[in-house]
Amino acid sequence: NAGVTQTPKFQVLKTGQSMTLQCAQDMNHEYMSWYRQDPGMGLRLIHYSVGAGITDQGEVPNGYNVSRSTTEDFPLRLLSAAPSQTSVYFCASSWGQGNSPLHFGNGTRLTVT
Amino acid sequence: DAKTTQPTSMDCAEGRAANLPCNHSTISGNEYVYWYRQIHSQGPQYIIHGLKNNETNEMASLIITEDRKSSTLILPHATLRDTAVYYCIVRVFNTNAGKSTFGDGTTLTVKP
Repeated sequence: NAGVTQTPKFQVLKTGQSMTLQCAQDMNHEYMSWYRQDPGMGLRLIHYSVGAGITDQGEVPNGYNVSRSTTEDFPLRLLSAAPSQTSVYFCASSWGQGNSPLHFGNGTRLTVT
Repeated sequence: DAKTTQPTSMDCAEGRAANLPCNHSTISGNEYVYWYRQIHSQGPQYIIHGLKNNETNEMASLIITEDRKSSTLILPHATLRDTAVYYCIVRVFNTNAGKSTFGDGTTLTVKP
């Protein structure tokens, strides 16, 4: 099992550019989420999904879009990058039942200039 | 989900027990306490969780007070590799873990 895989590991964008951060999990988890972590701070929830075709907003959704067409994949799209979106982005997944903990990827480090 | 409060930072001597406190005074009866840690900007790693009984696994022990308003994560013999940010969160049983709210955590520094 690869677990949760995020690509790319690093990315530099210019203001106004768009890009998609990829997240894939091979554990057949129902739930997937995207968090951002700014330097020296905790994680903030951007968007989450409870299953294929179902997504919802977290604490800081503005400037980001998501979709969930398959159980395995949960891409995060930045439509028009801004310097305020410079951050480390983590994807996580978990089972839908009981006390299942979150499994995290190793992050994508994004810089917007 | 209930809010948690943790100290910003703590130090611990290598080989000694590290005791990390967490306050969750507004916890509900159906909320579990979870602990994660994040080593040097890697993705957070699950450590342990519990409802009201003390729990132990190969990584740590979790002590929850009888009134459930606070808990302590114990690393029995801390090593330098345990230096990390430790997050305490609470979550309702059988709900979406992916909606979990992470605060700023406690930065634990294990010193030789």
